[in-house]
Amino acid sequence: GQQLNQSPQSMFIQEGEDVSMNCTSSSIFNTWLWYKQDPGEGPVLLIALYKAGELTSNGRLTAQFGITRKDSFLNISASIPSDVGIYFCAGRPKAAGNKLTFGGGTRVLVKP
Amino acid sequence: NAGVMQNPRHLVRRRGQEARLRCSPMKGHSHVYWYRQLPEEGLKFMVYLQKENIIDESGMPKERFSAEFPKEGPSILRIQQVVRGDSAAYFCASSTDRGTHSPLHFGNGTRLTVT
Repeated sequence: GQQLNQSPQSMFIQEGEDVSMNCTSSSIFNTWLWYKQDPGEGPVLLIALYKAGELTSNGRLTAQFGITRKDSFLNISASIPSDVGIYFCAGRPKAAGNKLTFGGGTRVLVKP
Repeated sequence: NAGVMQNPRHLVRRRGQEARLRCSPMKGHSHVYWYRQLPEEGLKFMVYLQKENIIDESGMPKERFSAEFPKEGPSILRIQQVVRGDSAAYFCASSTDRGTHSPLHFGNGTRLTVT
């Protein structure tokens, strides 16, 4: 089946730093979504991307839908402590409804 | 996550028992999706239902698992004769329709532990 490779698997951040993570796939997706999941909760949608090349911002978050439709990245600028959590990319192939394929997640932690 | 209600939040079952997980979609949403999340992994699609109909169950294990979304009441994910490998977080999500621009809203999940 389709697989999404998300990297890095984990990262440490210091307050004020910018953070980047990305997802790649061997298959084409028509929609890319980025979710954040806090412990004990469900994923919360951060950004949805619907067109190849699209660059979308939501506050300090910026995400892009790759031109090839096989990748996407998420940037968080000027990180704050509440950015800690697990970030998931998810892709939706054409005509798949909301049958999403999720990446393995990027765990964002605070530097000790 | 407000709106999609799942219960119970935590469920403990012994091997061989049945587990019933309930999901009430957001108001006005008639499309329900179930996903499973193993520890340290992403969510994996299980089944997609509309009222009284199963649309896509390609992610459901062939045995012991079933799902329904009756005309009245919540969607139910039922796992019969649970085994340790069924321990996971089960998330329900809903949307207004199956269109490309209908975002999925997830509940807070049911964490099933099989002892």
